[in-house]
Amino acid sequence: QVQLVQSGAEVKKPGASVKVSCKASGYTFTTYGINWVRQAPGQGLEWMGWINPYNGNTNYAQNFQGRVTVTTDTSTSTSHMELRSLRSDDTAVYYCAKFGGDNSLDYWGQGTLVTVSS
Amino acid sequence: QSALTQPASVSGSPGQSITISCTGTSSDVGAYNYVSWYQQHPGKAPKLMIYDVTNRPSGVSDRFSGSKSGNTGSLTVSGLQAEDEADYYCSSYTSSRTLVFGTGTKVTVL
Repeated sequence: QVQLVQSGAEVKKPGASVKVSCKASGYTFTTYGINWVRQAPGQGLEWMGWINPYNGNTNYAQNFQGRVTVTTDTSTSTSHMELRSLRSDDTAVYYCAKFGGDNSLDYWGQGTLVTVSS
Repeated sequence: QSALTQPASVSGSPGQSITISCTGTSSDVGAYNYVSWYQQHPGKAPKLMIYDVTNRPSGVSDRFSGSKSGNTGSLTVSGLQAEDEADYYCSSYTSSRTLVFGTGTKVTVL
């Protein structure tokens, strides 16, 4: 069965960087894109970007351009999302999610809470 | 890219039907048949309920249905049940090759 398992919660200081990982299993990793989505406390879903694991091509939401980098390691079927220059309003649960055969997100990780606080 | 517009809340009694709207632009909802809907219970990851405007993934109840007209997509939940109480989000593919989510709708079963 398809599973996306994310790394554990993080606490960071303002200005620092965080790297969240997402390990996929149960399907051919290079076949479907991986997306990253975040949700601030009590707020809605915000799409951050996606990567094509087959060729490494990425596309990011304008709000995160220059501050986020998404990568993949095909040898371990893992995607990583790095967010730099953290601010308090980056405090959120960060999810990875797999594209289905279209532009929907059919499987999601369990989420990783990133807390930014001095 | 601005978030798609959804009503903040919708409510209904058990057995009734409710419809949630999702309004975008001619660069997202209106441009492609790539509107999806997600259900999210508190503290849980979102779950895909509808994809490509009208399609249900395997295992999703046929009480959930989707449609689209112009720049507005819609999710209808018929035969409302207590377990349907959750937050619902739409999303759409955009002309910038990105995704955009809706503002979210809290569904309350009275």
